[in-house]
Amino acid sequence: DAKTTQPNSMESNEEEPVHLPCNHSTISGTDYIHWYRQLPSQGPEYVIHGLTSNVNNRMASLAIAEDRKSSTLILHRATLRDAAVYYCILHYKFYFGSGTKLNVKP
Amino acid sequence: EPEVTQTPSHQVTQMGQEVILRCVPISNHLYFYWYRQILGQKVEFLVSFYNNEISEKSEIFDDQFSVERPDGSNFTLKIRSTKLEDSAMYFCASSTERGPVYGQFFGPGTRLTVL
Repeated sequence: DAKTTQPNSMESNEEEPVHLPCNHSTISGTDYIHWYRQLPSQGPEYVIHGLTSNVNNRMASLAIAEDRKSSTLILHRATLRDAAVYYCILHYKFYFGSGTKLNVKP
Repeated sequence: EPEVTQTPSHQVTQMGQEVILRCVPISNHLYFYWYRQILGQKVEFLVSFYNNEISEKSEIFDDQFSVERPDGSNFTLKIRSTKLEDSAMYFCASSTERGPVYGQFFGPGTRLTVL
């Protein structure tokens, strides 16, 4: 299974942009990049996914490197509600690593 | 907005007892999944289900586990003889299609406590 590497934790100030990185150097040509988040005491929540092109939706943007070996989830204006663990996932069986715990300071 | 629901939210059982965890996936979804998360640990894939059959399962999903779609709406996970180490949050998920193109939508989970 293709694995991902994410920082264990990151901190952001409220209403500032947040860039959450993910490295996936062993990604295959058909692997989609998915991002999920898990708020405290809740189930994982779909955020965004993409293959090659950058993607935008109402929750976030996904920037994918040209070689696809890394990607960045962008929260344009972090809110306190965005404090969660963010997972970058490649395989459709959704191997969840440890993710990045995002702390948002007021 | 449609969502996956799970019942009960918390289940307490004695070791060796059978438990059934219930899920109602999003109505037009065709693929169903169970995951578990032991407290403080990673989310782990258990099984995927499509067209009334298991399509994939992990090493965790041994003979003590079974899944069923007894009617057009429910999707259940049965643990035949619970062990202490089965204590975890169990999440159901569903998707419109299988594969990496489509996102999965998760329920709020059932917390299983085995005493």
